[in-house]
Amino acid sequence: GENVEQHPSTLSVQEGDSAVIKCTYSDSASNYFPWYKQELGKGPQLIIDIRSNVGEKKDQRIAVTLNKTAKHFSLHITETQPEDSAVYFCAARLSNFGNEKLTFGTGTRLTIIP
Amino acid sequence: NAGVTQTPKFQVLKTGQSMTLQCAQDMNHEYMSWYRQDPGMGLRLIHYSVGAGITDQGEVPNGYNVSRSTTEDFPLRLLSAAPSQTSVYFCASSYSRGKNIQYFGAGTRLSVL
Repeated sequence: GENVEQHPSTLSVQEGDSAVIKCTYSDSASNYFPWYKQELGKGPQLIIDIRSNVGEKKDQRIAVTLNKTAKHFSLHITETQPEDSAVYFCAARLSNFGNEKLTFGTGTRLTIIP
Repeated sequence: NAGVTQTPKFQVLKTGQSMTLQCAQDMNHEYMSWYRQDPGMGLRLIHYSVGAGITDQGEVPNGYNVSRSTTEDFPLRLLSAAPSQTSVYFCASSYSRGKNIQYFGAGTRLSVL
C-alpha cells in the first residue's frame, strides 16, 4: 500500500513570510495529491490538489509542486496571514480506477506569528 | 446545502458499550468513507463505500461495522467500545469516479472510558 510522510510536524513563520510543507510518497502509481487544511474543531477542507500529469499548480497565495521522479510534493504558502494558522495534511491516491481511498500524511501544524 | 453532516459532535462511552456514529450527505455522492484521527497519526481509513449496498474495509477496520442502505447515509457502528477507540472520527464523501474531491464532516469526538 501507499505510505505518505510529511514534514515538518510543526512550523512557525512570521506573518508575511512564506511557508513550505513537504511530503513524500512511496508508490509511483499514485496519481492524485490533494492538500487539506483543518482549522480547530472542524473537518479537513481541500485547499488545492495536483494530478500526476502536472508539475505545478497555483491558486492565489497557494501553490503545489510535484516531482514524480523523486516522489515528493510540496505546499507553498506565500505572504502568510494569521488565518493561515491551521493543521495541513497532504494525501496521495493510487491510480486504481474508481478507488477513492486516500492515504494521508501525519499533518503539519502551521502557526503564523503576527 | 448542508454537505456532510455528522452526529453526535461529542460522545463519552464506557468500555463495552455500543453506539452508532451517524453520517449523512445531501450531495448525491457515491463514495463515502470513515476516518479516525489520532495525534501524530494523521487520518486513517476505517471503512468506505463505493455506493449503496457496497462497503469495504480500510486500513483500521477492526472493532467497527458499517452499512450503506441508502446513498445518503453511512453509519459507523462500534459494537463493544474499547479505550483504544478514543479518537476523533470524520466522515467524508466524494462524487464519483474520476472526481476525487472529498468533502469532510465536522467530526465526532469520542471518548471511551
